[in-house]
Amino acid sequence: EILLTQSPATLSVSPGERATLSCRASQSLNRNLAWYQQKPGQAPRLLIYGATMRVTGVPARFSGSGFTTEFTLTISSLQSEDCAIYYCQQYLYWPPSTFGQGTKVEIK
Amino acid sequence: QVTLRESGPALVKPTQTLTLTCTFSGFSLSANGMSVSWIRQPPGKALEWLALLDWDDAKYYSTSLKTRLTISKDTSKNQVVLTMTNMDPVDTATYFCARSRPLNYYDDSGDEQTANTFDVWGQGTMVTVSS
Repeated sequence: EILLTQSPATLSVSPGERATLSCRASQSLNRNLAWYQQKPGQAPRLLIYGATMRVTGVPARFSGSGFTTEFTLTISSLQSEDCAIYYCQQYLYWPPSTFGQGTKVEIK
Repeated sequence: QVTLRESGPALVKPTQTLTLTCTFSGFSLSANGMSVSWIRQPPGKALEWLALLDWDDAKYYSTSLKTRLTISKDTSKNQVVLTMTNMDPVDTATYFCARSRPLNYYDDSGDEQTANTFDVWGQGTMVTVSS
């Protein structure tokens, strides 16, 4: 089973500053990785697929990068509405699929 | 508009069987590449994929829970049903159903790629396992 390790567990960022979230895979995924945002009491929302492709309607301040085993989600200028837990998901061998443990982003 | 809605009991007793229903609209599960998955999330914990039903009726299960899960569909009602046997308090979680469809795109090299993600989710249903 492919394991995804996200870091840090919690990230405190000042409004307007950059937030950088990491997702590391136990084996090469090429670019078969997605990112989701989950706010309290809500279902996850797909933000990024193919490691770098932003879903239509997702603000441009969200960007994804990475390849093989190291991936990054960057929020270029943190807004209060971006406070959430972010999960990475791999789909290399689909199905199944696995998620990372999540990174909680909060306002400093 | 694509929507999914989960329904089922809020409380089950240990050893009982849980049956959850996902009622969807706005897409056809018979369309090439479509699928519906069940995913759960224990309170304060991460997401865990459980099972998937494909457009051609293929079924896939989490390796760790395979012996306890059954996924099926009722095409006439646009529903996907998940049953989980021998429920335990550790199965207390919010259970989501989510749609997947292949997202085709071109990467930086100009090669066509396909992404398999969960693009639309239900709001989830909380299930507590307790005597």
